[in-house]
Amino acid sequence: DTGVSQNPRHKITKRGQNVTFRCDPISEHNRLYWYRQTLGQGPEFLTYFQNEAQLEKSRLLSDRFSAERPKGSFSTLEIQRTEQGDSAMYLCASSLGGQINEKLLFGSGTQLSVL
Amino acid sequence: DAKTTQPTSMDCAEGRAANLPCNHSTISGNEYVYWYRQIHSQGPQYIIHGLKNNETNEMASLIITEDRKSSTLILPHATLRDTAVYYCIVRPPNFGNEKLTFGTGTRLTIIP
Repeated sequence: DTGVSQNPRHKITKRGQNVTFRCDPISEHNRLYWYRQTLGQGPEFLTYFQNEAQLEKSRLLSDRFSAERPKGSFSTLEIQRTEQGDSAMYLCASSLGGQINEKLLFGSGTQLSVL
Repeated sequence: DAKTTQPTSMDCAEGRAANLPCNHSTISGNEYVYWYRQIHSQGPQYIIHGLKNNETNEMASLIITEDRKSSTLILPHATLRDTAVYYCIVRPPNFGNEKLTFGTGTRLTIIP
């Protein structure tokens, strides 16, 4: 198992453009999480899936953000009409839910820069 | 909201034990203490977690006070590669939405 994989590692875009990030979790993990991290802050929760169901969305997740996990495997996070304030590291994590000792394992993130 | 308090930064000499404190005075009886670290430009990495008893693994030891209001993460022989931001997190057991809520953590610098 190669761990949680995120692509691309870096994305530079112009304000107003749409971007999409992909996360491939650890294969047997049924839960998938998206976080956002800005400079000097800890990661902030955005949303999470159990299998293909999106179970919670943070208030940080504006209408311009949408996440999917269509077959309960990989997930995509799309940001429409990007703004400079969207510049951040977007982190994906996965876990095997249903266990007391659930551990979230993170990918290396996608660094988004909106010019 | 983060339910833990950690020092903003700490230094430790290479080869010495690094002791990172965390206060969680409002912790509930069924909440676990988790530690993650984040090396520059990487995602957070799981280190260790515990409920009441002290725990040890290949990376670190976790000492939880008897009243569970504070804990200490111990890296027994710090190396330069341990330079990172360390996050102490409390979370309930796996019975619902168990997302991790990060604070700003402790920036640990290992000095040669």
